[in-house]
Amino acid sequence: DIQMTQSPSTLSASVGDKVTITCRASQRISSWLAWYQQKAGKAPKLLIQDASTLKSGVPSRFSGNGSGTDFTLTISGLQPDDFATYYCQQYNTSPETFGQGTKVEIK
Amino acid sequence: QVQLEQSGAEVRRPGSSVKVSCKASEDTFSTYAISWVRQAPGQGLEWMGRIIGLLDVASYAPRFQGGVTITADKATDTVYMELRNLKSEDTAVYYCARENCGGGSCFDDWGQGTLVTVSS
Repeated sequence: DIQMTQSPSTLSASVGDKVTITCRASQRISSWLAWYQQKAGKAPKLLIQDASTLKSGVPSRFSGNGSGTDFTLTISGLQPDDFATYYCQQYNTSPETFGQGTKVEIK
Repeated sequence: QVQLEQSGAEVRRPGSSVKVSCKASEDTFSTYAISWVRQAPGQGLEWMGRIIGLLDVASYAPRFQGGVTITADKATDTVYMELRNLKSEDTAVYYCARENCGGGSCFDDWGQGTLVTVSS
C-alpha cells in the first residue's frame, strides 16, 4: 500500500493566517491526490482533486499544489469556519489511502 | 449533488455480523462507483472497498478481503456493506461515498455515517 504522511499533525493558527499542510506519498502518485476537510461528527468534505483542482463552491483561499510524491494544501487567510481536520488521499493505486490528518486549531 | 442516506447506528457482539445500507437520492449506481470508508474513534480514514454498479463488481482493500461484502440493489438505488466476524476494533463510523473525480477515485459526496459499536 502507498503510505501517505501528513505534517504537521496539529497546527495552531489565528484567523487571517496563511497556513500550509504537507502530504508526502511513499511512491510517486502523479497528481492523483485529493484533500478533504472534516469537522467533528461530520463526514469529510472534498476540497481539492487532482492535486490542484478546486471543487466547485470551495472558497478560493484554499489551494493545492504538487505532483509526484510531495503535495501541499494552503489556506490563505484562515477563517473561523476553517478550523477542522484535513486529510490527503491518494487514488493513484488501489487500495486508496489517506494521510493521518492535520488538525488546524485556534491559537 | 447526490444525497446518500445511511442506515442507523448498530450495536453488535464480537463474532457477529452487521449490514449497513446506503441509499442514493437519484440514479447513481449505474453511473458511479460507491466506496465504503471507515473511521475508528479519534482516528483517521480507511478505505474498505467499492462497488461499480454498472458492472456489479466489487473490490476490496486487502486487509478487508474475505471479511467484507459490498452489494448493490439497482432497483432501489441502495448499496450494502456487510462486515463479518466483528471485533472490538471494528467499532467505527462507516461512511459510504460516491466516486466522482473524473477518471480518479476520490469522493465528492458522502453519507452521514453509521456508527457501529462492537461490545460484549
